Amino acid sequence: DIQMTQSPSSLSASVGDRVTMTCRASHYISTYLNWYQHKPGKAPKLLIYAASSLQSGVPSRFSGSGSGTDFTLTISSLQPEDFATYYCQQSFITPPYTFGQGTKLDIK
Amino acid sequence: EEQLVESGGGLVQPGGSLRLSCAASGFTFSSYWMHWVRQAPGKGLEWVARMNSDGNSRSYADSVQGRFSISRDNAKNTLYLELNSLRDDDTAVYYCARDSYTRSWYYFDFWGLGTPVTVSS
Repeated sequence: DIQMTQSPSSLSASVGDRVTMTCRASHYISTYLNWYQHKPGKAPKLLIYAASSLQSGVPSRFSGSGSGTDFTLTISSLQPEDFATYYCQQSFITPPYTFGQGTKLDIK
Repeated sequence: EEQLVESGGGLVQPGGSLRLSCAASGFTFSSYWMHWVRQAPGKGLEWVARMNSDGNSRSYADSVQGRFSISRDNAKNTLYLELNSLRDDDTAVYYCARDSYTRSWYYFDFWGLGTPVTVSS
């Protein structure tokens, strides 16, 4: 199975900051990488698919990049509603549809 | 408006069973593959099971293989997950999610709010 490793596990930042988090796959996954946002008590939300394609309705301050084994999610200017946990997921070799362990983004 | 509403969670003893449901509305349920994903307390998301659109193909995570069973009723727009031989580490919020795709890229584009399952004596 392909393992997904996210870093950092937690991150503190302020409104207006530019934030970057990373996801590394244990094997080559091309651009078959998705990013989700999850807030407590809410449904997870798809942000980015195919490593860099923005899901419809997602603000343009979110962007994704990378291919192969290394990927990043960037939030260009943090808004109060962006404080959440972010997960990457590979869809290259499935099943299983492996998620990373998450990066929790909280307010500094 | 698209909706996925999970139900059926609750408190169950180790070794017990439970049946979860996910009612879909606002889209053509029978056209989509569907998944169950869970989140244990303090942990991340874990994929559990998948079913194709017409219900003749299933896949499971190793952690639930042989104990859980996914099914669907397209006439009722409902996805199910039968949980058997439950263990303490099956305690989690269980989400259903819709599988969608663009060209060859697959992703979970819509999720429910989840239903909690607690396994405890």
